[in-house]
Amino acid sequence: KQEVTQIPAALSVPEGENLVLNCSFTDSAIYNLQWFRQDPGKGLTSLLLIQSSQREQTSGRLNASLDKSSGRSTLYIAASQPGDSATYLCAVRPGTGANSKLTFGKGITLSVRP
Amino acid sequence: EPEVTQTPSHQVTQMGQEVILRCVPISNHLYFYWYRQILGQKVEFLVSFYNNEISEKSEIFDDQFSVERPDGSNFTLKIRSTKLEDSAMYFCVTNLGAGRGSYNEQFFGPGTRLTVL
Repeated sequence: KQEVTQIPAALSVPEGENLVLNCSFTDSAIYNLQWFRQDPGKGLTSLLLIQSSQREQTSGRLNASLDKSSGRSTLYIAASQPGDSATYLCAVRPGTGANSKLTFGKGITLSVRP
Repeated sequence: EPEVTQTPSHQVTQMGQEVILRCVPISNHLYFYWYRQILGQKVEFLVSFYNNEISEKSEIFDDQFSVERPDGSNFTLKIRSTKLEDSAMYFCVTNLGAGRGSYNEQFFGPGTRLTVL
């Protein structure tokens, strides 16, 4: 059974800092991995999706990497801003089914202090 | 940009009552899912739906739950007899499908907060 872990559960940084959020998963046979952002009481917004054959994806100040063999992904946020404060969730889709369910981590709650 | 919509945004119900949560998927998407998130816990999968039938369901999705797409547009989740532990945020999710150039990115609706008293 796939397990997704995100540590630490919460992180507080000063504005302007570059930071890395970690995600690990137990079964490396994945189809893809997706990073989401969730604001309090709201839905999930997709940030980046990495296929199993890819090593990284970039969007603006965000860069996500994937090391499938070691079961790890990182989300790098450059020059953090107070508006980046949110919970960041990592989710993986199994390699057995391109349209099958996502398994989520519990998320990392990020607070960027002005 | 197209988006998934859900109604209502918040539903309060008494234990034992039936509730129907509604979703309008993105128009050309073919795969539909319901996930839920109990406060402070992980987002967890309930059911997936394709070609008018359930393709996968979790242990949570017991006989009290059902899904349908009655008119080809709305996608609904029905809980027949709600329990206190059904209180959660319910998310409708859709994707275009593999092999259609989308890499199967999943698009989440804003959620319906269900409160069972």
